[in-house]
Amino acid sequence: GESVGLHLPTLSVQEGDNSIINCAYSNSASDYFIWYKQESEKGPQFIIDIRSNMDKRQGQRVTVLLNKTVKHLSLQIAATQPGDSAVYFCAENEGGNNRLAFGKGNQVVVIP
Amino acid sequence: GAVVSQHPSRVICKSGTSVKIECRSLDFQATTMFWYRQFPKQSLMLMATSNEGSKATYEQGVEKDKFLINHASLTLSTLTVTSAHPEDSSFYICSARGEGKNIQYFGAGTRLSVL
Repeated sequence: GESVGLHLPTLSVQEGDNSIINCAYSNSASDYFIWYKQESEKGPQFIIDIRSNMDKRQGQRVTVLLNKTVKHLSLQIAATQPGDSAVYFCAENEGGNNRLAFGKGNQVVVIP
Repeated sequence: GAVVSQHPSRVICKSGTSVKIECRSLDFQATTMFWYRQFPKQSLMLMATSNEGSKATYEQGVEKDKFLINHASLTLSTLTVTSAHPEDSSFYICSARGEGKNIQYFGAGTRLSVL
């Protein structure tokens, strides 16, 4: 059944500031990672991905950093805009596995 | 980017009825499709993985007779919630992935409410 009383970690950020969203992953065998953005009552939207042979990748206003030593992934959003308000999920693809394992999610609230 | 269409976006049904949700890849061939369930303020929970032309692989704890999955073509997968009950009320989301690709592209989700 559905759970009640859950609260996602929330990051409140002033419009125009940079946002950093963090994610710890669990499987050292994971070789591919994706960040998704999900708005209310919508499906996740692909933002950026990175392979395990890289430690940084940049997109439009977004940067993903990967630290395999501590199994940590981060998403940086530059000049955060109101349209960036959403829940952000990291996902890992375990090597040889067909599936993505999703993190718990982080709520970003942009204050105009 | 790749487009995945999911329909319907919202459905309300009576307890005991069956509901079918469709997931279509519009501009690519999806060799693999995935079905997820999501509770409020929680992450996506994988229910099953389906490959075109073969039986779906269900995650532990997901009843295959309750959640029927068909992936008859490279652009269409369906999820049928059979004999729905109020506890089946949830947000169901599909995703699709092309052959040799890692990125999953998601549909818009279906909000199922069982009365």
